[in-house]
Amino acid sequence: AQKVTQAQTEISVVEKEDVTLDCVYETRDTTYYLFWYKQPPSGELVFLIRRNSFDEQNEISGRYSWNFQKSTSSFNFTITASQVVDSAVYFCALSVRKLNTGGGNKLTFGTGTQLKVEL
Amino acid sequence: ETGVTQSPTHLIKTRGQQVTLRCSSQSGHNTVSWYQQALGQGPQFIFQYYREEENGRGNFPPRFSGLQFPNYSSELNVNALELDDSALYLCASSPGQSSGNTIYFGEGSWLTVV
Repeated sequence: AQKVTQAQTEISVVEKEDVTLDCVYETRDTTYYLFWYKQPPSGELVFLIRRNSFDEQNEISGRYSWNFQKSTSSFNFTITASQVVDSAVYFCALSVRKLNTGGGNKLTFGTGTQLKVEL
Repeated sequence: ETGVTQSPTHLIKTRGQQVTLRCSSQSGHNTVSWYQQALGQGPQFIFQYYREEENGRGNFPPRFSGLQFPNYSSELNVNALELDDSALYLCASSPGQSSGNTIYFGEGSWLTVV
């Protein structure tokens, strides 16, 4: 079974501060995929990033960066110079590779981290 | 905009009633999945449809059922509604059934059961 833990329930920062959202995952599968989604109050889950388990290269995209550490089963997400528009709930999610098609492409989500960016 | 559209946006039903939620997948996506998100929780996988057949199901009772049509749009049906079914129901589409495909979500249907 897979599990995703987001220990931070809520984070409040002042605009322009950097903020890191933590994610720890559990799986026995050797091939898996990790995702971050953003959910504004409207409800839509907005895809941000996907990483494969065999690609530990970290990446920066604009104000976003990701730190994937297989040794600690962590996939943390950092927003640099946060803005009010970044306020949302952020979800980390995991899917595992199935050798057959049974089970489909199921995402296991964490409970989310509410980020509040204030002026 | 993900191109995944859901209807209705909000609805209120009475306990014991039945509800149908609808979803149009993103163009070119042949796989649709449904998730239930209770207040303050992460989304929970209900089931997935690929080429009109269910090919994966989460821990939900049989009164949760679905359909996928030849144009890849989908319906989620819930019978004998219970108060605990009150949640945001999210439809998602992906370009294939395999794990690892990025899944794109719609804005959801907010269901309240009274």
